[in-house]
Amino acid sequence: DTEVTQTPKHLVMGMTNKKSLKCEQHMGHRAMYWYKQKAKKPPELMFVYSYEKLSINESVPSRFSPECPNSSLLNLHLHALQPEDSALYLCASSQESSAAHYEQYFGPGTRLTVT
Amino acid sequence: DAKTTQPNSMESNEEEPVHLPCNHSTISGTDYIHWYRQLPSQGPEYVIHGLTSNVNNRMASLAIAEDRKSSTLILHRATLRDAAVYYCILGYQGAQKLVFGQGTRLTINP
Repeated sequence: DTEVTQTPKHLVMGMTNKKSLKCEQHMGHRAMYWYKQKAKKPPELMFVYSYEKLSINESVPSRFSPECPNSSLLNLHLHALQPEDSALYLCASSQESSAAHYEQYFGPGTRLTVT
Repeated sequence: DAKTTQPNSMESNEEEPVHLPCNHSTISGTDYIHWYRQLPSQGPEYVIHGLTSNVNNRMASLAIAEDRKSSTLILHRATLRDAAVYYCILGYQGAQKLVFGQGTRLTINP
């Protein structure tokens, strides 16, 4: 099973709402990632988890709060978002977090719209 | 960080080979060359990666120049399903992240 699943597929939320995005993999990977992708742009890294610990935060605003409850699950908690946060949010995983050696497997993404 | 340069777009015909170029003139000796692609409305998909030698897998071949300053992703027989944005990315030794550039949008004509 080389699949990364993400739920929900689509999410519409108001600026005062709190919501969460969920990502799951069962490949035994120890590194997981959140990316943000705006239309017609490449994915931009937000967070890296390695062995369930946050290892990279790319200066992401605190209204985005990641969580890695166990090695298979990755959440992204959203609170007080702005309309410009509307984007495709992609989750990925890899065997280890070494960018040189290990390929990343991406989920299909959650299309988020903030109204 | 070493960067990659790719053409914004390319076009090819179905059932013909496609050669997608990538320049990375400031690559260091331990940087790996990765290729990913993103089909419409999907997450990126790993294609292939290599260090020095040419690499082949079921999806594509990666030809790396002897000086490693450029590489070419080869799709041997393009299908309509290969229409995607192709990203050439350097994987830095010791780094934990991949940095996506703008990529090449490949169009396949029937």
